[in-house]
Amino acid sequence: KAGVTQTPRYLIKTRGQQVTLSCSPISGHRSVSWYQQTPGQGLQFLFEYFSETQRNKGNFPGRFSGRQFSNSRSEMNVSTLELGDSALYLCASSLGRGMNTEAFFGQGTRLTVV
Amino acid sequence: SQQGEEDPQALSIQEGENATMNCSYKTSINNLQWYRQNSGRGLVHLILIRSNEREKHSGRLRVTLDTSKKSSSLLITASRAADTASYFCATAETSGSRLTFGEGTQLTVNP
Repeated sequence: KAGVTQTPRYLIKTRGQQVTLSCSPISGHRSVSWYQQTPGQGLQFLFEYFSETQRNKGNFPGRFSGRQFSNSRSEMNVSTLELGDSALYLCASSLGRGMNTEAFFGQGTRLTVV
Repeated sequence: SQQGEEDPQALSIQEGENATMNCSYKTSINNLQWYRQNSGRGLVHLILIRSNEREKHSGRLRVTLDTSKKSSSLLITASRAADTASYFCATAETSGSRLTFGEGTQLTVNP
């Protein structure tokens, strides 16, 4: 069974640009969550999607958005990039809604904003 | 914000020794999960322990949970150099749909 796939693995963007990251969950998993990891703030929850609906959102500005498609694949978008958005973005998939079962993470997308 | 605190922040041991990491949290939880991360790569799920469980084993891993103290510990027995990584605890709240992570413990196992 394939794991969680995130693309691209690495990205370099310029301040003010926007970026879209993609996540394909484990087959059969319907819940996708996104996390941001930085040295200063650690791992922070961005949002969770289940059945194409955002179910929960973390404390991030509106520049961070996402969506989920009918095949459970998810994308997150960051607009008007700032230097502080440089981070490892991790996607997690789980079988059901919420975190009552194990969450499996992808390898992440390393975003560098210059 | 981080719910949990992990202790110690860094741990260096010799191969064959046991490693113990502790995690404390603040709110009521549905479960607590432990993850491993190698050098800024993805998180690898190690073990999940539910709030009504006190201890769980998986191979060389032993996790305990004390909900009265809001704390958990991860024991890795007979450590190997390949166990060198950062270890994170993450809590799933009873009414939430997110994982709240601790700050992690950096474990170094010297050959």
